[in-house]
Amino acid sequence: AQSVSQHNHHVILSEAASLELGCNYSYGGTVNLFWYVQYPGQHLQLLLKYFSGDPLVKGIKGFEAEFIKSKFSFNLRKPSVQWSDTAEYFCAVNGNNNDMRFGAGTRLTVKP
Amino acid sequence: EAQVTQNPRYLITVTGKKLTVTCSQNMNHEYMSWYRQDPGLGLRQIYYSMNVEVTDKGDVPEGYKVSRKEKRNFPLILESPSPNQTSLYFCASSLPTSLAGGHLHEQYFGPGTRLTVT
Repeated sequence: AQSVSQHNHHVILSEAASLELGCNYSYGGTVNLFWYVQYPGQHLQLLLKYFSGDPLVKGIKGFEAEFIKSKFSFNLRKPSVQWSDTAEYFCAVNGNNNDMRFGAGTRLTVKP
Repeated sequence: EAQVTQNPRYLITVTGKKLTVTCSQNMNHEYMSWYRQDPGLGLRQIYYSMNVEVTDKGDVPEGYKVSRKEKRNFPLILESPSPNQTSLYFCASSLPTSLAGGHLHEQYFGPGTRLTVT
């Protein structure tokens, strides 16, 4: 069965610090990978997605993620965070079917 | 404006009183889905639908029902709500894999429904 693990439950950073949020999944076949962001009080929005091709994908707001197949990982990165990046971040996986599995989420707090 | 709408946004009810949360999308999407969000557990898929009259169980379908009689609507039904169904519920829609090169496309989420069952 598919599962998605996000290692960090809560990350606290100062503005301009670099960010890396971990995401590992367990699934044997081809996967589609997503990162969603949920700002306080809002619904989820897509940050970026990976289907195939270049394993380094770039998303909105300066975020990027790297798919490393050998490690079953899809970590999210941003070189310099801003206070407005304070939110909860979810990694999600879709395999060769039509269901979706989300990680438990990582809450990011950026201190001004 | 392309959107997914849910009603009601907030609901407090009592154990055993049947309720329906509506979900509607105006993007002509075939794929629709319901999730519940609980602290520390992220989003868990309840049911999803590939098209009209086609529904499938997600990870946590127990205690819920859905129907898909029209493409735009995907209501979530709790026949006999219990306190463990207190949660934040999100509806989402998307292009299906059959129309997206075999991939599940970006999902568009509704604003959420906060349900409290006492």
